[in-house]
Amino acid sequence: NAGVMQNPRHLVRRRGQEARLRCSPMKGHSHVYWYRQLPEEGLKFMVYLQKENIIDESGMPKERFSAEFPKEGPSILRIQQVVRGDSAAYFCASSPPRTANYGYTFGSGTRLTVV
Amino acid sequence: QQQVKQSPQSLIVQKGGISIINCAYENTAFDYFPWYQQFPGKGPALLIAIRPDVSEKKEGRFTISFNKSAKQFSLHIMDSQPGDSATYFCAARNVNFNKFYFGSGTKLNVKP
Repeated sequence: NAGVMQNPRHLVRRRGQEARLRCSPMKGHSHVYWYRQLPEEGLKFMVYLQKENIIDESGMPKERFSAEFPKEGPSILRIQQVVRGDSAAYFCASSPPRTANYGYTFGSGTRLTVV
Repeated sequence: QQQVKQSPQSLIVQKGGISIINCAYENTAFDYFPWYQQFPGKGPALLIAIRPDVSEKKEGRFTISFNKSAKQFSLHIMDSQPGDSATYFCAARNVNFNKFYFGSGTKLNVKP
């Protein structure tokens, strides 16, 4: 049973390019969450999705960032026109539908570097 | 607004000592409290978790103490080892939204 799969592990983009990060949740998990982590800092919530629905995007910057979780395929976090400040580790987590005793399972992250 | 407050920010402990990390919350809608361990370059991994109807949970050298009335919970690492050196995050789930709120993290360094 594979865990949460994120790719690519490392991504280098020039300023102004688009970054596309992928996340495949664990089998049986229908909820996906994206977090951003700056060096030496904590996890900042970005967005919570279920299949074909955005449940909570309160942590997403209003511009340039978008996320989707289509009926088929992985969840995608898209950052358009990247800037140096977007350089960070982006983690995806998944969980099953609400259960009593279950935390998130995190992927290994995508480390985005904007040059 | 920080929903879960974690302290200390960093911690140095000698090998064999006890590491203690504290978290506090205000929202009574939180119903599940996990701790995550993160090594450099890796994603956070679930370490141990507790529900508010239990005051303590122990798994090996790791213990969560939970004080519902004070809205505080803590992680104790007994007989700390250099391999425990990592960043630890507490978290709390809002039962209404199935969403976790994370503390700011504690960087633990266990000296040999």
